[in-house]
Amino acid sequence: EVQLVETGGGLIQPGGSLRLSCAASGFTVSSNYMSWVRQAPGKGLEWVSVIYSGGSTYYADSVKGRFTISRDNSKNTLYLQMNSLRAEDTAVYYCARVAPRVGSFDYWGQGTLVTVSS
Amino acid sequence: SSELTQDPAVSVALGQTVRITCQGDSLRSYYASWYQQKPGQAPVLVIYGKNNRPSGIPDRFSGSSSGNTASLTITGAQAEDEADYYCNSRDSSGNQYVFGTGTKVTVL
Repeated sequence: EVQLVETGGGLIQPGGSLRLSCAASGFTVSSNYMSWVRQAPGKGLEWVSVIYSGGSTYYADSVKGRFTISRDNSKNTLYLQMNSLRAEDTAVYYCARVAPRVGSFDYWGQGTLVTVSS
Repeated sequence: SSELTQDPAVSVALGQTVRITCQGDSLRSYYASWYQQKPGQAPVLVIYGKNNRPSGIPDRFSGSSSGNTASLTITGAQAEDEADYYCNSRDSSGNQYVFGTGTKVTVL
């Protein structure tokens, strides 16, 4: 059974850093496309970043230069390093597996809440 | 960057049919996928590709596409279909992704 479990969210001050983790089971992270998607309170879904099986990474303009997506193959875990956090980064962050051929997000974690506030 | 536009809200009588649309330039090149999200829950994929349903998704959900518009149709809407629905596709570059603005479906 495919499972994704995000951890690492919490309250952080503006300008601070946080690292989110997404532990996967039931499939191999390094063989798949993996992505982060966020949802601000009461708002819609916003794509954040993707890492392809070959290692290429891409980011939304809103986080480029501040966030870094990575993976640890030995732990079968996806990460999102978030630096220079802003109030507008406050959201529930979901990790999701991306089906490469059609680009659909076929499995999602339960999400972890990041609150950026002083 | 690409944008996908959806109507903010639609309503449907129980057992009737409702169509949700998603418009954007990237849909001329890439199929849309559709997600259902209920309050406090993660999104769930309901339609992907040309018109494919993941295992466990009822066949009252179907998808179609024409030009720059993709549609999700719920035929015979049930009370449990009341939720927010989002479309998504690759953006025009093919390497990034974009989500639609979301549609709140109310079943009357």
